[in-house]
Amino acid sequence: EAQVTQNPRYLITVTGKKLTVTCSQNMNHEYMSWYRQDPGLGLRQIYYSMNVEVTDKGDVPEGYKVSRKEKRNFPLILESPSPNQTSLYFCASSLEGPMAQHFGDGTRLSIL
Amino acid sequence: RKEVEQDPGPFNVPEGATVAFNCTYSNSASQSFFWYRQDCRKEPKLLMSVYSSGNEDGRFTAQLNRASQYISLLIRDSKLSDSATYLCVVYYNAGNMLTFGGGTRLMVKP
Repeated sequence: EAQVTQNPRYLITVTGKKLTVTCSQNMNHEYMSWYRQDPGLGLRQIYYSMNVEVTDKGDVPEGYKVSRKEKRNFPLILESPSPNQTSLYFCASSLEGPMAQHFGDGTRLSIL
Repeated sequence: RKEVEQDPGPFNVPEGATVAFNCTYSNSASQSFFWYRQDCRKEPKLLMSVYSSGNEDGRFTAQLNRASQYISLLIRDSKLSDSATYLCVVYYNAGNMLTFGGGTRLMVKP
């Protein structure tokens, strides 16, 4: 089954404790991206990657890192999480470019 | 001003009703437009692309007005299962990013 898989689905953690949210797709897509969704602000893009080893900042990259060492994986790293990063996070992928993206199920992060 | 604006709703309509949503965008150089559907606490899913000439997919019709910089989504014969949040999405090639509106919530009641 074609899908985008995020882990974990839910995480409660504390300020400053490094965490990684994994994202994997099995559709051989070139384009992958991370979004956060907050009430009243909608979906905002954090980082995106056009292909392996190519990553670019989105609208709200501060406090986040990403890497794209393999085509299928695009982890999101929070080196020192803070409470303002409490949000619902989505990973997405598409064949090429940001159009017609497939989204993962989402990861709900709570930073205390 | 937000780049992509939508009325958040909620729009409460009875089954069988016709409902329309509008979405305005600020970047006149925007090139591609989409409607996504998002159920509560779920991931967004592509509903349909919006073409310049307008396009229809079953009970759903999408239209683009470049002069006034808005897109619309019309849902005919609403079903209970249409209850969701509808996200307007705009693509600007030079930025290579999608910009999402805040969504319009639709609730279809029996």
